[in-house]
Amino acid sequence: NAGVTQTPKFRVLKTGQSMTLLCAQDMNHEYMYWYRQDPGMGLRLIHYSVGEGTTAKGEVPDGYNVSRLKKQNFLLGLESAAPSQTSVYFCASGGLAGHEQYFGPGTRLTVT
Amino acid sequence: GQSLEQPSEVTAVEGAIVQINCTYQTSGFYGLSWYQQHDGGAPTFLSYNALDGLEETGRFSSFLSRSDSYGYLLLQELQMKDSASYFCAVRNSGYALNFGKGTSLLVTP
Repeated sequence: NAGVTQTPKFRVLKTGQSMTLLCAQDMNHEYMYWYRQDPGMGLRLIHYSVGEGTTAKGEVPDGYNVSRLKKQNFLLGLESAAPSQTSVYFCASGGLAGHEQYFGPGTRLTVT
Repeated sequence: GQSLEQPSEVTAVEGAIVQINCTYQTSGFYGLSWYQQHDGGAPTFLSYNALDGLEETGRFSSFLSRSDSYGYLLLQELQMKDSASYFCAVRNSGYALNFGKGTSLLVTP
């Protein structure tokens, strides 16, 4: 089992460009999450999904959109990238208990 | 609102015991989780407390006092590989976790 995978691992964008980050999990988890991690800020929840076809806003959703068309995939989109979105993005998945989440390796995004 | 407080840095000697505290304020509370993250790596789950008391998993133990809105992670027989960041996280709904800012643990020889 691969667990949680993320693509790409690194990306550099120019301000105003768009991109999509892909997360895939093979553990049949219902819940999936997107976090961003900035130095000294811990992990902040961007959006999450409690099942196929559902999405919900987290703590810092502005500037991001998500989609969960298939249970195993959770996509994070940046419509018009800004330097403030320079961060490391982690995807996670988890079961119905909610407290144990499995994280992907992360995507390091730089917006110039 | 909700907030979690944990020390930003802790230093301890190899072989020693270290305790990382976490206090929280939240509108709803289901339980307290702990995660470990090595530099450049992904967070990994360590333990979870839904009820008051101590949970032990090998060299790691986690404690919760719901009445005090307080918990801690105890690491025994410290090893160099335990140098990492440790995050407490409150489960305040059925779905999501709210993470603290993390404690950077440095284990010295």
